[in-house]
Amino acid sequence: DTEVTQTPKHLVMGMTNKKSLKCEQHMGHRAMYWYKQKAKKPPELMFVYSYEKLSINESVPSRFSPECPNSSLLNLHLHALQPEDSALYLCASSQDPQNSPLHFGNGTRLTVT
Amino acid sequence: GQQLNQSPQSMFIQEGEDVSMNCTSSSIFNTWLWYKQDPGEGPVLLIALYKAGELTSNGRLTAQFGITRKDSFLNISASIPSDVGIYFCAGLRYGNKLVFGAGTILRVKS
Repeated sequence: DTEVTQTPKHLVMGMTNKKSLKCEQHMGHRAMYWYKQKAKKPPELMFVYSYEKLSINESVPSRFSPECPNSSLLNLHLHALQPEDSALYLCASSQDPQNSPLHFGNGTRLTVT
Repeated sequence: GQQLNQSPQSMFIQEGEDVSMNCTSSSIFNTWLWYKQDPGEGPVLLIALYKAGELTSNGRLTAQFGITRKDSFLNISASIPSDVGIYFCAGLRYGNKLVFGAGTILRVKS
């Protein structure tokens, strides 16, 4: 069982919808991440939160909006997505933001119709 | 974005055989990681390597951090059907940014 929990497991949304993805970890990790993964490709970094502050945004379109309410929670707010945004969205955490392995959740499979 | 050169791209082997895959890079990493991903799940950390030359085992898995810090390999001994999946190598850079290899798809013939 993964120690990084993501909900929902699956999400189907229209291009005009607003939805949120949620991620939770209770390992005391101080860095959290959002990744996007297309089928049979490696994950691509979207955002990094370090000590609850956004430290890296990999030029992600503004229709994706991250939020870190506290050290255990990470959200990704979605609005006006495109069909090409359909992918597996992975959350990860690491003990600290320097040289520490990432632990991934099982992801949210997002389909945009 | 930048990727590591991971090979082979896919493998189809007999159960019981040993498996070897590797990653190379043109630049140095401080940490090498190996992940396995099963369908419908997230990547699971198999082995983390922190020092050049380090050789680490985890059950039937053995991985090494190359002396030049630009490469790493993963060996799986006596493969079994549940070894099926995609294996990713990853180098860790400053700011904890992971650079992934393209993945090795492992299929085991029982």
